[in-house]
Amino acid sequence: GQQVMQIPQYQHVQEGEDFTTYCNSSTTLSNIQWYKQRPGGHPVFLIQLVKSGEVKKQKRLTFQFGEAKKNSSLHITATQTTDVGPYFCAGPKDSNYQLIWGAGTKLIIKP
Amino acid sequence: EAQVTQNPRYLITVTGKKLTVTCSQNMNHEYMSWYRQDPGLGLRQIYYSMNVEVTDKGDVPEGYKVSRKEKRNFPLILESPSPNQTSLYFCASSPGWTGELFFGEGSRLTVL
Repeated sequence: GQQVMQIPQYQHVQEGEDFTTYCNSSTTLSNIQWYKQRPGGHPVFLIQLVKSGEVKKQKRLTFQFGEAKKNSSLHITATQTTDVGPYFCAGPKDSNYQLIWGAGTKLIIKP
Repeated sequence: EAQVTQNPRYLITVTGKKLTVTCSQNMNHEYMSWYRQDPGLGLRQIYYSMNVEVTDKGDVPEGYKVSRKEKRNFPLILESPSPNQTSLYFCASSPGWTGELFFGEGSRLTVL
């Protein structure tokens, strides 16, 4: 069945280092969304990418959608403590009105 | 303020005691959905609704019911809760099923 794999599951970084999470779909996606969840909070929408090869930036965050629209990445430059938490990707399922979600990458800042 | 409101936020109950988690949105969104989040498993969709009186099963619907009698409300019903339904539940809404999802604050449910 259709799958979205997100890696890594966890990433430990020193504050100020960069962070990247990758999303890989088994099928072509019409679009991909990224969400951030603060510890103890709810997922919050970050961005939606629609076009093949699209790159979008939000301050220290850079989002990419692959040429084949099967891969996407989120890169954070110079992480801060406020960046901690899981990041999720999600894309529309082929077969019905659902989103298929990656399992999330948890950004952890080393003490 | 645009928001999705869930209640209760926290609940401890016992096996078999029916409960309802309410969800209401004030954005006139057509699409609403329920998710559960468990450690290591990410977000799993329970049920979704494309519009009033239109609901469908998600990936993990067993043990849950929903209804959509009004556009703004989408309650989640656990007829006979069991311990494996202990989880963090999120309601979400969107103008359309492929658009930005707005999540409620979450409801942490413990079934003893």
